[in-house]
Amino acid sequence: NAGVTQTPKFRILKIGQSMTLQCTQDMNHNYMYWYRQDPGMGLKLIYYSVGAGITDKGEVPNGYNVSRSTTEDFPLRLELAAPSQTSVYFCASSLSGRGSGGNEQFFGPGTRLTVL
Amino acid sequence: AQSVTQLGSHVSVSEGALVLLRCNYSSSVPPYLFWYVQYPNQGLQLLLKYTSAATLVKGINGFEAEFKKSETSFHLTKPSAHMSDAAEYFCAVSLGSGGSNYKLTFGKGTLLTVNP
Repeated sequence: NAGVTQTPKFRILKIGQSMTLQCTQDMNHNYMYWYRQDPGMGLKLIYYSVGAGITDKGEVPNGYNVSRSTTEDFPLRLELAAPSQTSVYFCASSLSGRGSGGNEQFFGPGTRLTVL
Repeated sequence: AQSVTQLGSHVSVSEGALVLLRCNYSSSVPPYLFWYVQYPNQGLQLLLKYTSAATLVKGINGFEAEFKKSETSFHLTKPSAHMSDAAEYFCAVSLGSGGSNYKLTFGKGTLLTVNP
């Protein structure tokens, strides 16, 4: 299994540009998550999904959109990039919620995004 | 609601010395607790987790953590630090077997430096 994969690894955007960060998992996990990581701030949840066709906002959703058309894929869309979105973005997945034995989340390697 | 506080954003130890990384949590229900490690330019990897079984949890790479309900703590320890332990460590909490336990709340992280 490849686990959770993310593309691209690095990207530089100009203010106002848009892009999609790709995330794919091959573990047949129902739950998927997008986080952003800023220095000294830990991880903040942007959006999450509990299954195909179901998404919900996390702690910091403004400026982002997601979709979940398949179990495997959970892309994150930035419509109008702003310097405040400069960050490292991590996608994660987990098997299920209740009764899953601890809900371990598996993380991708991250996408480092700079908005200039 | 749940929250995590990691005491000390940076801990420095000598090789061979005891590693102690502190984590205190707040949760309205019995929690599940996790320690993740992040090596430079990589995603997060699970070190260990507490899911209401044994209060002393052993993880990978010689790390362990003890759940202390009376102190609302879940400190991470390793008897003898190795150079390869240098990384950032994150404590995380979820709502355990009740509620929306698929969501993790992360602490801000502790950067561990190991000196030769």
